[in-house]
Amino acid sequence: NAGVTQTPKFRVLKTGQSMTLLCAQDMNHEYMYWYRQDPGMGLRLIHYSVGEGTTAKGEVPDGYNVSRLKKQNFLLGLESAAPSQTSVYFCASSPGGLNQETQYFGPGTRLLVL
Amino acid sequence: AQSVTQPDIHITVSEGASLELRCNYSYGATPYLFWYVQSPGQGLQLLLKYFSGDTLVQGIKGFEAEFKRSQSSFNLRKPSVHWSDAAEYFCAVGGVGNAGNMLTFGGGTRLMVKP
Repeated sequence: NAGVTQTPKFRVLKTGQSMTLLCAQDMNHEYMYWYRQDPGMGLRLIHYSVGEGTTAKGEVPDGYNVSRLKKQNFLLGLESAAPSQTSVYFCASSPGGLNQETQYFGPGTRLLVL
Repeated sequence: AQSVTQPDIHITVSEGASLELRCNYSYGATPYLFWYVQSPGQGLQLLLKYFSGDTLVQGIKGFEAEFKRSQSSFNLRKPSVHWSDAAEYFCAVGGVGNAGNMLTFGGGTRLMVKP
């Protein structure tokens, strides 16, 4: 199993450009999450999904949109990138049932907005 | 609202020395507690977790953590640090009834190991 994969690994955007980050998991997990990591602030939850076709806001959702059209994929969109969105983005997934609380992370996407 | 505090931003220890990383949490219900490790340029890897039962939990790579409800703490320990343990460590809290099983992370502690 590949686990959780993220595409792309690194991207540079100009202010106002749009892009989509793709997260894929092959563990048949119900829940998926998008976090951003900034120095000294740990990971902050942007959006999450508790199943195919569902999405919900996390702690810092402004400026981002998400979609979960397929169970294995969770897309994070930036419609109009801003320098404040320069960060490292991590996707995670977790199974349903008794172990649903354990999250498994992808390798991250480093985004630089100029 | 739940929160996690890791008081030490940086810690340096000598190889072979013991290690304790502090974590304090605030959560209004039964907490689920986690420690994750992040090596440079990598994603987060789960070290250990506490859901219930024995308050001393064992994890991978020789780490252990102790849940102390009275102190709202979940400190991570290792008796003898190896150079490969140099990384950033994150404590996280979630819990029963938490919609979406969301986790709240602390700010992280960066561990450096001296030869």
